[in-house]
Amino acid sequence: KQEVTQIPAALSVPEGENLVLNCSFTDSAIYNLQWFRQDPGKGLTSLLLIQSSQREQTSGRLNASLDKSSGRSTLYIAASQPGDSATYLCAVEGFQKLVFGTGTRLLVSP
Amino acid sequence: DGGITQSPKYLFRKEGQNVTLSCEQNLNHDAMYWYRQDPGQGLRLIYYSQIVNDFQKGDIAEGYSVSREKKESFPLTVTSAQKNPTAFYLCASARGRGTGELFFGEGSRLTVL
Repeated sequence: KQEVTQIPAALSVPEGENLVLNCSFTDSAIYNLQWFRQDPGKGLTSLLLIQSSQREQTSGRLNASLDKSSGRSTLYIAASQPGDSATYLCAVEGFQKLVFGTGTRLLVSP
Repeated sequence: DGGITQSPKYLFRKEGQNVTLSCEQNLNHDAMYWYRQDPGQGLRLIYYSQIVNDFQKGDIAEGYSVSREKKESFPLTVTSAQKNPTAFYLCASARGRGTGELFFGEGSRLTVL
């Protein structure tokens, strides 16, 4: 059974720092991995999607990498801003449907 | 604008009542999903549908029911058999399973009084 873990559960950084969020999964037989952002009381917004054949994806200040063999993905946020404060979730899609991690709650202080 | 619309945003229910949450999408997506989110837990799949008139149970389907009579619509009914229905419910859609990006609605918060 696929299990997805995100560490740390919470992170607090000052504005301007570069930071890395981690996502690990137990079954490497996946179709894709997706990173989402969730603001309090809101739905999820897709940030980056990495297909199983890809190693990384970039969008603006965000870069996500995927290492299927080790069961890991990282989300790199460059030059963090207070507007980046949210919960970040990763989700892995495979034969056993889409499995979500519990998220990392990020707070960026001005 | 294309997207997913969930309604109502907030809903209060007395114990023993059934309630139906609406989910409509205009993205022309084949696959639709219902998730439940509880504090400190990841999203858990309730039901999903890959095509009209077909749907499958997810990991926590007990006490819930769905229908998929139209491609655009995937309503979720929370029945009185659901023992702990207070939660945040999220609807999502995708072009198809394994085909990539998942789009979410804004969610419906159900509170049982």
